[in-house]
Parts: sequence; C-alpha cells; structure tokens
Amino acid sequence: NAGVTQTPKFQVLKTGQSMTLQCAQDMNHEYMSWYRQDPGMGLRLIHYSVGAGITDQGEVPNGYNVSRSTTEDFPLRLLSAAPSQTSVYFCASSYLTGSYGYTFGSGTRLTVV
Amino acid sequence: GNSVTQMEGPVTLSEEAFLTINCTYTATGYPSLFWYVQYPGEGLQLLLKATKADDKGSNKGFEATYRKETTSFHLEKGSVQVSDSAVYFCALSLADRGSTLGRLYFGRGTQLTVWP
Repeated sequence: NAGVTQTPKFQVLKTGQSMTLQCAQDMNHEYMSWYRQDPGMGLRLIHYSVGAGITDQGEVPNGYNVSRSTTEDFPLRLLSAAPSQTSVYFCASSYLTGSYGYTFGSGTRLTVV
Repeated sequence: GNSVTQMEGPVTLSEEAFLTINCTYTATGYPSLFWYVQYPGEGLQLLLKATKADDKGSNKGFEATYRKETTSFHLEKGSVQVSDSAVYFCALSLADRGSTLGRLYFGRGTQLTVWP
C-alpha cells in the first residue's frame, strides 16, 4: 500500500546515545518533513525537505540532523539524545503544490531516560 | 505571518449531539485549508479539505466551509458518534514559492470525547 513508513514504532534511549529514525514514502512526493508532538504543544516542525539534496530547518531543529539523498527517504538523526527529546515523532510527505495535504506516517514514540 | 487558531478543548459531547470546532486562520496568500483527525495511538489522517473560497469539504458526515471573508474553516457534524472521539487539527498550506512552499501550518488540536 502506498504511504509513509516510519521505523521503529517505539524506542528507548539512554541520555547521550544517538539513533536514526527512518522515514520512507513511495508516492513520489517532493516534500517531506519531520514533526514532534508533545502534550499541549501541538505539532512542531523539526526539519523539512523540498527535494533530494535540499533540506532546511523548521521551528525546533536543535539536536537533530536530516539528509535527503533520494526522493523516497528522509531519515532523522538524534545526535546525542536528551530527556527533552522524549516525544512522538511523525514523518509526513506531500506534493509541493500544497493543495493535496500531507500523508503522515504512524509515528515513532521515543523515550530518553 | 501564517498561522491557525482553533478552539481549545477538550470538547465533551453526548452521542448524537451537534459538533462545531472553530478554526480561524491568518495567511499571507491564498491558502488551502484542511482538517486532520488523529485517533488514539495513530498518526494524523486527512479528514477533509477545501482549496478555494466558498468550497465545502466533506467526509464521514463532517463538513467545513472555506470562508474567506471571516478567514474561517469551522468543522461541523450533525450527529457525533463514540467512534468520533479523537484529536482534530485544522491546518493551512500555501502554494507560493519560498520558505512556505509545501509546508502545512497546524493549529494546536482539539480533543473531542463523545460519551454513549
């Protein structure tokens, strides 16, 4: 089925560890993005990409890195995990025109202890 | 700037009650407007959308009309069910170039709980 696939679904990290959250889409969407969702804070944009080789920062980029080597994949790297990064992370993709809306992945629930 | 404001929750209703969740927006251009729904433990799903003024989006009994004069996109349903319990997000996107290209701007979300 066409869509956005996120892995893993759950992860527990120790403070200072690094990890990569994977995101892949098979709809040939140009635009991909990462959000974090925290209680009472809504969705906050971390990083986004408008095409392969092009990435930019969102509202809360500190502590995260991204790259976009292919149209399909947009991994999110946590460089040195901190408890403040405990959150639910969503990857989303769309066409650049903006009128179709996003397709979201099912999320990664990350706990940093 | 571009932003979305939606009514704060939580909203608690009895089954078969009428639902309205208010959403207003500020945009530098001519946005497309969306409502997303998030069921417990899941990602967001597109519920409905409208791409120009006076358009009405509808899906699963939910409706919202794009009102340019009041910059609003209120979500309504005539008779809610227990299965409608979820968080609802209003959002806008702009098709212009630059840093807004492709980006969705979300409201904070409104928690809806429907009791039998």
